[in-house]
Amino acid sequence: ETGVTQTPRHLVMGMTNKKSLKCEQHLGHNAMYWYKQSAKKPLELMFVYSLEERVENNSVPSRFSPECPNSSHLFLHLHTLQPEDSALYLCASSQGPSNTEAFFGQGTRLTVV
Amino acid sequence: QKEVEQDPGPLSVPEGAIVSLNCTYSNSAFQYFMWYRQYSRKGPELLMYTYSSGNKEDGRFTAQVDKSSKYISLFIRDSQPSDSATYLCAMRKQGGSEKLVFGKGTKLTVNP
Repeated sequence: ETGVTQTPRHLVMGMTNKKSLKCEQHLGHNAMYWYKQSAKKPLELMFVYSLEERVENNSVPSRFSPECPNSSHLFLHLHTLQPEDSALYLCASSQGPSNTEAFFGQGTRLTVV
Repeated sequence: QKEVEQDPGPLSVPEGAIVSLNCTYSNSAFQYFMWYRQYSRKGPELLMYTYSSGNKEDGRFTAQVDKSSKYISLFIRDSQPSDSATYLCAMRKQGGSEKLVFGKGTKLTVNP
C-alpha cells in the first residue's frame, strides 16, 4: 500500500456523466493537492487543501468540484466534462502547503468521450 | 517566456552513460529546486531537492543549481535501464503559500 492511494486508476465517462475521484493518504500529512497532467504539458496545480480548508483554486472550471472531508481524504467530483479534460489526475500530499516534499499517488487516467 | 523550460526529449542513451538533464527558468525568486522521477503509469516521486545554489549528491545522482544562469541540472552516472522514466524539474519561491512550478518533463530511455 503506497502512502497516497487514488481510485479508480482508470475512468471513462461520457460528457453528461457525474463521477468522483478519490484520494487517501496514510502519511499523516496536513496538505493535499489535485494536479492535472496532460501530454506535453507541465503539471497543472488545480486545488490545494490545508487542514481541510481550500487554500488555492487555480481558476479551475466549476465542472471540477473538490471536497476534503478530513485531512486524509480528498475527492474530485466531476460533471459535464469536455473531451479536453481527458488527462491523468494526480493527488498529492505534504506535511504542510509550503512543504517541499510532495508525495504523489499513481493517478487516475480519465478519458471523456 | 514560460517560467520553467524543460526539453521534453525523448533522450535515449546506452547503459552506463552519464545523463545530463536540464531546466532553465525565468523567475529569479525561485529558491527551492526539485527533481521528480515518474515511471510509466505511476505518479511522480521526489528524487532530489536543493535549496538555493550549489550541488547535492545522492548515490549516482547529482543535482546542480546555478542561480546566476537560472539553470538547474540533474546528472545520472552509470545509468541503468531502471532509470528509464520521465524526469520533471520543479521549483518554487520562498514562502508558506508558494506553489511548485513544474517543467514539462524529459523522457529518458536507457538501453541495455
